[in-house]
Amino acid sequence: GAGVSQSPSNKVTEKGKDVELRCDPISGHTALYWYRQSLGQGLEFLIYFQGNSAPDKSGLPSDRFSAERTGGSVSTLTIQRTQQEDSAVYLCASRRGLGETQYFGPGTRLLVL
Amino acid sequence: QQQVKQSPQSLIVQKGGISIINCAYENTAFDYFPWYQQFPGKGPALLIAIRPDVSEKKEGRFTISFNKSAKQFSLHIMDSQPGDSATYFCAASINDYKLSFGAGTTVTVRA
Repeated sequence: GAGVSQSPSNKVTEKGKDVELRCDPISGHTALYWYRQSLGQGLEFLIYFQGNSAPDKSGLPSDRFSAERTGGSVSTLTIQRTQQEDSAVYLCASRRGLGETQYFGPGTRLLVL
Repeated sequence: QQQVKQSPQSLIVQKGGISIINCAYENTAFDYFPWYQQFPGKGPALLIAIRPDVSEKKEGRFTISFNKSAKQFSLHIMDSQPGDSATYFCAASINDYKLSFGAGTTVTVRA
């Protein structure tokens, strides 16, 4: 169907609060990725899902970050006890399979005050 | 530790000119090298990609040049147009798995 969608598009929160970011991948795409884009930086890999499993969580910066995927579809990235350095654009991407293009969503812009 | 180094950080080109962005990598296991284009407020979109068995790939006004021995690749935008003004990211991956991105180049095309 439509492209990758993410919600909310913008989120402002106070330091110490928890936030949840949602990603709806393209229907039928089995692989899902989360990346983080900080100001002036490239995209930084966070976590990879194949189906509902996360075989690669190596990019999660701390144990305050977690993610899950249910039904092989929607994924949620949770940041607990947010810090100001968590402020960034969080991007989700999905693809149908190996060798296929990764399609990115528009991102969630997170600002931690 | 950035696995892909990209330069320049920004460039300005006149309409009709050529934009050139360069990337270098260290990991010789990388076997997939895409370029993404990102407009403000949007997610990156795949522009063009190359695998190391070819030295050049052209799609319309966009060309990737790949130098395996130097571990470098570049994007050339020919006949640059104002609509090409965007941020461009090079990336690399193994088996098209997770992407390692360069820091990005902001291209401004002056009319």
